[in-house]
Amino acid sequence: EVQVVESGGGLVKPGGSLRLSCAASGFTFSNYNMNWVRQAPGKGLEWVASITYRSSYIYYADSVKGRFTISRDNAKNSLYLQMNSLRVDDTGVYYCARTSQSWSTGYSGYVEWFDPWGQGTLVTVSS
Amino acid sequence: QSVLTQPPSVSEAPGQRVTISCSGGSSNIGNNAVNWYQQLPGKAPKLLIYYDDLLPSGVSDRFSGSKSGTSASLAISGLQSEDEADYYCAAWDDSLNGVVFGGGTKLTVL
Repeated sequence: EVQVVESGGGLVKPGGSLRLSCAASGFTFSNYNMNWVRQAPGKGLEWVASITYRSSYIYYADSVKGRFTISRDNAKNSLYLQMNSLRVDDTGVYYCARTSQSWSTGYSGYVEWFDPWGQGTLVTVSS
Repeated sequence: QSVLTQPPSVSEAPGQRVTISCSGGSSNIGNNAVNWYQQLPGKAPKLLIYYDDLLPSGVSDRFSGSKSGTSASLAISGLQSEDEADYYCAAWDDSLNGVVFGGGTKLTVL
C-alpha cells in the first residue's frame, strides 16, 4: 500500500523549533517529488514547501521562507521539515503529500497533483 | 485571502446536482492544471479530481471536473449524505512559484 506517515508534531513555545518527519512506504520514494501542506485550526489548506526527487529544486511559501527547511533522505525513505522561529500562526496540522505527475502536451509540461496524503501531525505554537 | 476563490459553502438536497466554482488568474488556473481535493470531517485531504477533469481510481463517477480559461468547476451529481465534506481546488502558480489552494467550500447535503 502506498502511504506516507507524519510524525514529530507537538507543543512548542513561540520562537522555538520543531522537526517533522514523514515516512514513505509502498513506492520508490527516490523517484517522487514531495510536499508539506498545513491547515490552521478551522481554516483551509496552505501549501508550505516542495522538494524534487533529488533535492535539486526546493520551493517555499513566502510565509515560511527563511524559517522552515524542507529536506529528504532517499536512503531512509523519509521527508523532513525543520521549523525554526516558530510563531503562533504556524499552529496547525501539517500534512506530507507525494507529488504524482504526468506529461501534458496541452500544457507543454508536467502536470502535478498531491496523492497520497498522510494523516497529519499537529503542531501547536503557544506560550 | 486565498489566491483561488471558491464559495464558502453550498447546499443541496440528496439526489440533486451541485457545482462548486474556483476562480483564479492567468498565472495559475489560466496556465496550469487544476486539481480538486475532498476533506471529510476530521480526516486528511484526499485527491478527488486531477489534471482538470480526470478521476483517480476508486472515485465515484458522480464527481466531475471542468475548466475554462481562468475558472474551474467541480460537479457532484446524485448527492449523498457521505458527500458532506470540504472541497478544495488547487493549481500551480507561475508567479508565486508554488501551489495555491482555494479557500475551500463546505458542502451540506440537506
